[in-house]
Amino acid sequence: NAGVTQTPKFQVLKTGQSMTLQCAQDMNHNSMYWYRQDPGMGLRLIYYSASEGTTDKGEVPNGYNVSRLNKREFSLRLESAAPSQTSVYFCASTGGQPNTEAFFGQGTRLTVV
Amino acid sequence: RKEVEQDPGPFNVPEGATVAFNCTYSNSASQSFFWYRQDCRKEPKLLMSVYSSGNEDGRFTAQLNRASQYISLLIRDSKLSDSATYLCVVRGTGRRALTFGSGTRLQVQP
Repeated sequence: NAGVTQTPKFQVLKTGQSMTLQCAQDMNHNSMYWYRQDPGMGLRLIYYSASEGTTDKGEVPNGYNVSRLNKREFSLRLESAAPSQTSVYFCASTGGQPNTEAFFGQGTRLTVV
Repeated sequence: RKEVEQDPGPFNVPEGATVAFNCTYSNSASQSFFWYRQDCRKEPKLLMSVYSSGNEDGRFTAQLNRASQYISLLIRDSKLSDSATYLCVVRGTGRRALTFGSGTRLQVQP
């Protein structure tokens, strides 16, 4: 079972470059999320999508855009990367019931120089 | 105030010890509660859900106190393999996403 697949696993960008992080899940989940994790900190929500066609800002949305392309895919775009966006990015998905487990992708380690 | 607060640790305990982690949450409307485990540089994985009546899974016991907005995790007979960061996670109602605490790091020593 693939679960949640994120690409790429590693990326180095120069300041001002753009890129899109891809995420896909094969569990027919409605909700998908993008988090970032900085050293010594927990996961902070960037954006989430409760269902296909809807997206909402999380705690730290500035500098990011998202697209819920279909039920399977939820992408995160950095239009003009900044060193402050150096982080580990995790995509996650959950089913519709409140007690359902969240499944995570393996993470994308992004460095902006 | 953070929505979910945890003691960051680290907790350094010997093998066989019992260790307890606590977590407080600020949103009284929160519906679901979880403990996740995260190994170094890996993705978080569900350790256990936390139910109102408390629940146990082998050496792990989770408790929820809604009145005090407090969640706990007890690990008995610690193993070296329990060394990890433990994340307290809370889910709200409706479209609200999962909110993570900063995590408590546990190091079990031989």
